[in-house]
Amino acid sequence: EAGVTQSPTHLIKTRGQQATLRCSPISGHTSVYWYQQALGLGLQFLLWYDEGEERNRGNFPPRFSGRQFPNYSSELNVNALELEDSALYLCASTQRGGDPMNYGYTFGSGTRLTVV
Amino acid sequence: GNSVTQMEGPVTLSEEAFLTINCTYTATGYPSLFWYVQYPGEGLQLLLKATKADDKGSNKGFEATYRKETTSFHLEKGSVQVSDSAVYFCALNTGNQFYFGTGTSLTVIP
Repeated sequence: EAGVTQSPTHLIKTRGQQATLRCSPISGHTSVYWYQQALGLGLQFLLWYDEGEERNRGNFPPRFSGRQFPNYSSELNVNALELEDSALYLCASTQRGGDPMNYGYTFGSGTRLTVV
Repeated sequence: GNSVTQMEGPVTLSEEAFLTINCTYTATGYPSLFWYVQYPGEGLQLLLKATKADDKGSNKGFEATYRKETTSFHLEKGSVQVSDSAVYFCALNTGNQFYFGTGTSLTVIP
């Protein structure tokens, strides 16, 4: 069974540009979560999508947005990039039924975004 | 609110030493507790979990016991190996969202 896949692995953008990150959950997982892992700051919750709808959002500005497609894959878009957006962006999904309390998350390997 | 506090690293141990990484939490309701591990250049992997008080999660020689009275979920391993070098994250979930600690970096030297 394929795991959670994220693309691209690395992304370099210039300040002010837009970045698009992609995530494909494990087959059968309907919930997708996005986290930002900035150096020295741990994991910060960004967004949660389930069944195509945004269910919850972390404390990030509106220029961080995303969507979930009918096949449950997801995109994270970051507009007007700033230097401090440089981080590892992790996507995670949960098992059918979305019970993270029992099953936890399955994480992808992340996209390393560098803003110069 | 909900939060997780981990002991700060980095932690450096010799091979076969005993490992403890402290984790305490604050939560409303009855959370599930998790330890995740992140090897260099990779995403996070679930290491172990406990879903109710007094449960013990274990995997790959690592153990953690859900202690409601002390709101703790300390990670332990009796004899670490070089391959255990990674960053370890404690986390809780109340059913709606995960809350992660800041991570503890472990380096095991031969």
